[in-house]
Amino acid sequence: DIVMTQTPLSSPVTLGQPASISCRSSQSLVHSDGNTYLSWLQQRPGQPPRPLIYKISNRFSGVPDRFSGSGTGTDFTLKISRVEAEDVGVYYCMQATQFPWTFGQGTKVEIK
Amino acid sequence: EVQLVESGGDLVKPGGSLRLSCAASGFTFSNAWMNWVRHTPDKGLEWVARIKREADGGTTEYAEPVKGRLIISRDDSKNTVYLQMNSLKSEDTGVYYCTTAGGTYHYWGQGTLVTVSS
Repeated sequence: DIVMTQTPLSSPVTLGQPASISCRSSQSLVHSDGNTYLSWLQQRPGQPPRPLIYKISNRFSGVPDRFSGSGTGTDFTLKISRVEAEDVGVYYCMQATQFPWTFGQGTKVEIK
Repeated sequence: EVQLVESGGDLVKPGGSLRLSCAASGFTFSNAWMNWVRHTPDKGLEWVARIKREADGGTTEYAEPVKGRLIISRDDSKNTVYLQMNSLKSEDTGVYYCTTAGGTYHYWGQGTLVTVSS
């Protein structure tokens, strides 16, 4: 299985300041069809995972544009341009390039 | 509006059994490949099982830790996917989500809590 490694595991951020989370995969996530099936999920306290980003950099419907994704191959980044109070939670990267789906350990974003 | 509603979670003793259900609405369930993903204290988010649509053979796959103990099935007439859980262990404790994903969508239910403890 592909191993997904996130850093940092905890990210205290000041409201209005940016936050960045990195995710590295143990092998390339480029699928034979040319797509890279790397997603980002947000899990607020007491809530189910909410998909934010698909195929590296595409936002799902309704996701604010302060969330952006980038990367290629094995290294990916989620950025929040200006953290708001509602962004508190745990963020996961997830790969669906190779079966089975695998997830990073999660990065906890909290307000300083 | 898409909805996935899980039910069936409970407190069960080690070695016991449980059946989870996930009722789907708002999309063409019979076309969907359905998954169960769990969130456990030890491993975080972990994919558990998948069932393809009947048109693709209805094939099932399982994560190694649950093979031979958990069984995923579906009833397209009821728009429902099930997870039969047998020989439960303490490490199966967690919140179980049903989920399905395609090119530009990824739907998750609210989850149902399974606690395995004596």
